[in-house]
Amino acid sequence: SQQGEEDPQALSIQEGENATMNCSYKTSINNLQWYRQNSGRGLVHLILIRSNEREKHSGRLRVTLDTSKKSSSLLITASRAADTASYFCATDANSKLTFGKGITLSVRP
Amino acid sequence: ETGVTQTPRHLVMGMTNKKSLKCEQHLGHNAMYWYKQSAKKPLELMFVYSLEERVENNSVPSRFSPECPNSSHLFLHLHTLQPEDSALYLCASSQDLKGGAFFGQGTRLTVV
Repeated sequence: SQQGEEDPQALSIQEGENATMNCSYKTSINNLQWYRQNSGRGLVHLILIRSNEREKHSGRLRVTLDTSKKSSSLLITASRAADTASYFCATDANSKLTFGKGITLSVRP
Repeated sequence: ETGVTQTPRHLVMGMTNKKSLKCEQHLGHNAMYWYKQSAKKPLELMFVYSLEERVENNSVPSRFSPECPNSSHLFLHLHTLQPEDSALYLCASSQDLKGGAFFGQGTRLTVV
């Protein structure tokens, strides 16, 4: 069954703006991960946040995790056209990664 | 380059063919995975290997047969596939079963 569910399904923003993507899940997790996928290619691991962490940063990425609400958000600041891709959240529960359907982000130059 | 290499990148096969997908990782990881990605569906976990032992088989039909001869290589043997098996097949590896996964570029499979 699907664990992570991203929101919105698609997002279009102007270069330089911030992009916020959300993920909700249903069961307890060990960690939550965000991945990026360019069209027709493999996924690239972006960031992992553990269940006892609330916020994590990596470059222009900021991830938050609220285990009480079973939700996470990925913020990409100062977006670039190269950030155009699909973004997936994946939850790790019992050493099994379950992915959502993904969010399509388009960054207009 | 993620350190995970999949071959071939594209494969077209008939329903009576037998073919194999190959995945190789040079990261020293202990866990390897096969995922299936179909259009408009979440990524589906197919198989998980940890230290060359299969630890997860996600109700995958027997026409898909994985093989992990050593910790660096993973194969997916295909036989008598159906057109609905057409998808992007992704291999991934991770240090252990709890860390972030590194994905290959995938094999785009078309069954005709």
